Formats: sequence, structure tokens, C-alpha cells
Amino acid sequence: DAGVTQSPTHLIKTRGQHVTLRCSPISGHKSVSWYQQVLGQGPQFIFQYYEKEERGRGNFPDRFSARQFPNYSSELNVNALLLGDSALYLCASSTLQGSEQYFGPGTRLTVT
Amino acid sequence: GQQLNQSPQSMFIQEGEDVSMNCTSSSIFNTWLWYKQDPGEGPVLLIALYKAGELTSNGRLTAQFGITRKDSFLNISASIPSDVGIYFCAGQSLNAGNNRKLIWGLGTSLAVNP
Repeated sequence: DAGVTQSPTHLIKTRGQHVTLRCSPISGHKSVSWYQQVLGQGPQFIFQYYEKEERGRGNFPDRFSARQFPNYSSELNVNALLLGDSALYLCASSTLQGSEQYFGPGTRLTVT
Repeated sequence: GQQLNQSPQSMFIQEGEDVSMNCTSSSIFNTWLWYKQDPGEGPVLLIALYKAGELTSNGRLTAQFGITRKDSFLNISASIPSDVGIYFCAGQSLNAGNNRKLIWGLGTSLAVNP
């Protein structure tokens, strides 16, 4: 069975640009969460979506937005990129009732 | 952002030795999770704990959910070279609206000398 998939694997953008990251959850999982992981730190929660609705939001600016589609895949959008947005962006899927979150390989975003 | 206190920060051990790491929080959690992350990859779930006092094993790994619900530890017995990586604890509480966000420790970096 396929695990969580994310695309692209790597991305290089310049300041001020926008970026869209994509995630497909494990088959049967209806919840997707997004995390940002800066080098040397643990992941920081950005969003959680379930059944296309936002269920939680972390302490990130409005430049960050996300959505979930009917097939439960999800997109994370970041506008007006800053150098500090450079990080590994992780997507995790879970059942709503399940507490276990399973992670994809991440998208490495570099902002220059 | 909010993070858990995880220690030690790093460990360098000989192959065959046992390893112990722990995580503490000022908040109560309903669930404790332990993950391992290799460089450039996503975290892989090792053990999930759901009840205070619970002791769970996964092969050479054993983890416990603290009685106070504010701490957890992970033990690795008879370490091998492939245990190298960064180990993260993560706590989860069920908030209003079924938000199940994870709060993470800063990680324990493990190096194993063959």
C-alpha cells in the first residue's frame, strides 16, 4: 500500500514568489496535517484538514493557506515567500479518530 | 512555537549498548508518540501510547506513558548501527473541534559506533 506522498521533493524559489505543495494521504485516511520543520528543530504545526474543512491552525501568518479536496488530497500554499520560509514541509495523514499521524517524505523548500 | 523538553540532545554510544531518552511537558497529553527521522526524510512512527502508565514495546524499543501524563520515555536495547538518526517525542491532546495537532520535542540525535 502506498504511504503518504508529497510533491515536489525539492523546490527553489526567490523571495516574494508563491509556492504550492501537494500531498496525497494514505488510502482511507481522511485527515491531513501540515508541518514546517526548520533544520535542527522538531516540526511545527501549520494546519489540519478533515473532510475539506480546516480543523486547526498553528501560529503561522496569513501568507500560509491550505485546502483539502474531495479525494482527501491537500495543497499548502505560501505567498510572498521570505528567506525564513526555507524549511522541510511535512504532510501527515490520519483517520480523524486515530491519533497516529503518518508522515510523507516532505518537500524541501529553499527560498533565495 | 510550543515544544516539549526532550533529553538528551545527543548521544554517542557503542554498538550493543542500551539507550534511554525522555520527554517532559508542562501540559497534560492524551497521547504520546515516538518517531525516528533520518536526514532529509519524514518522521517514521515507532510507538504510540494512549494511556497513563502504559508500557509498549516494538522489537528492541520500549516506551512508557508517564503516570502524570506529562512525560514519556523511550528505551532502545542492544543498539545497532541502523538505529542512528534523530528521535522525536510528540504529544497530542484533543482540543475543541477535534484538532489533533502534535507538539514536538527538539529531538535526540543518536550516533552508534560499530
